[in-house]
Amino acid sequence: KAGVTQTPRYLIKTRGQQVTLSCSPISGHRSVSWYQQTPGQGLQFLFEYFSETQRNKGNFPGRFSGRQFSNSRSEMNVSTLELGDSALYLCASSLEGVDYTFGSGTRLTVV
Amino acid sequence: AQKITQTQPGMFVQEKEAVTLDCTYDTSDQSYGLFWYKQPSSGEMIFLIYQGSYDEQNATEGRYSLNFQKARKSANLVISASQLGDSAMYFCAMRGGYSGAGSYQLTFGKGTKLSVIP
Repeated sequence: KAGVTQTPRYLIKTRGQQVTLSCSPISGHRSVSWYQQTPGQGLQFLFEYFSETQRNKGNFPGRFSGRQFSNSRSEMNVSTLELGDSALYLCASSLEGVDYTFGSGTRLTVV
Repeated sequence: AQKITQTQPGMFVQEKEAVTLDCTYDTSDQSYGLFWYKQPSSGEMIFLIYQGSYDEQNATEGRYSLNFQKARKSANLVISASQLGDSAMYFCAMRGGYSGAGSYQLTFGKGTKLSVIP
């Protein structure tokens, strides 16, 4: 089966800009979660979407937002980028909260 | 609140030997799940093995086994017959923190960097 697809793989943005990352889950999976990975903070939960609704949100500022479309594809948006937003952003799709499958991630660099 | 502790920042193992990566967890949930993921330098998180809190048998998946000791709140990963391709970061994670509406989140440890020596 096709895995979780994240685009783009790499991104370089300037402070103050905004960015949109995309995640296509495994076919049939309706839950998509997003995680931020940095060397200092490790892996932190951003939010989870299920059937186009945000069900859960981590402790991140409002500059981080997301949405999910009717085909379960999800996007996350970060506005007014800061240097500290440089990270690997991973998304995971899940069917029943047991089989979390991750994508390859988007590596965002803010300069 | 959930917490995962991985006390080994880095480990070395000889090729073909077995290695144990430690993971302890803390939760007040009665129902939870424990995962191990492998992350090579490319960044992708690769699922290795899962153990449910009510599973009585230790989980096994090929060369991976999970040594689950519920009373001690530990979930150590054992890799048998290490291969050069096993060199990577390994993360222990727990599914818990039910937020309502059927939603959970994964809490990760800081990871262990495993290096396999030829």
